[in-house]
Amino acid sequence: DTAVSQTPKYLVTQMGNDKSIKCEQNLGHDTMYWYKQDSKKFLKIMFSYNNKELIINETVPNRFSPKSPDKAHLNLHINSLELGDSAVYFCASSQNVGANTEAFFGQGTRLTVV
Amino acid sequence: AQSVTQPDIHITVSEGASLELRCNYSYGATPYLFWYVQSPGQGLQLLLKYFSGDTLVQGIKGFEAEFKRSQSSFNLRKPSVHWSDAAEYFCAVGARNYGQNFVFGPGTRLSVLP
Repeated sequence: DTAVSQTPKYLVTQMGNDKSIKCEQNLGHDTMYWYKQDSKKFLKIMFSYNNKELIINETVPNRFSPKSPDKAHLNLHINSLELGDSAVYFCASSQNVGANTEAFFGQGTRLTVV
Repeated sequence: AQSVTQPDIHITVSEGASLELRCNYSYGATPYLFWYVQSPGQGLQLLLKYFSGDTLVQGIKGFEAEFKRSQSSFNLRKPSVHWSDAAEYFCAVGARNYGQNFVFGPGTRLSVLP
């Protein structure tokens, strides 16, 4: 069983489109995250949710809107896609918000905006 | 603010040789430290973690890391590298602010020569 699963794995779309990436975890974790990995492999936090409540919202354009219908799901919707949004997006989860927990990552979604 | 540096962008070793990947962190308190590995096209997998106690921690796949507070370092080591170890390696620190943000280093790409 996949612990953290993201769909789709690859996403190619045109500028200006709206797209969503879905994430689900079956670990029973309370906390979920979205990370962006750029072309230089640098990983940066975008959002963090704990029990469906947004707790971290880094400096991310408001075209990006996360939604957590329940604590096992954290989806990412992106409006008006731009070329600079091309990256790999990783979903992750951890047991709770305590610092002494590890994060479990999904396989990533490679988004290409053309 | 916490930060992580990995001085080596790319390391090449021969199969069977020993390996050490460097990681330095900046954090005001005792950190929670992690090493993750990312194989091409894959998500991040946890190799090992340090929370407290013994400063030499053992991980999966024969890896170990040593926490040295005086040097603010958490270097990853393996006595004998296998070709399958070729991947990107990320050091991370767990921030203790609410929301449990994992701050990642820029990564070190490991190549293994046959």
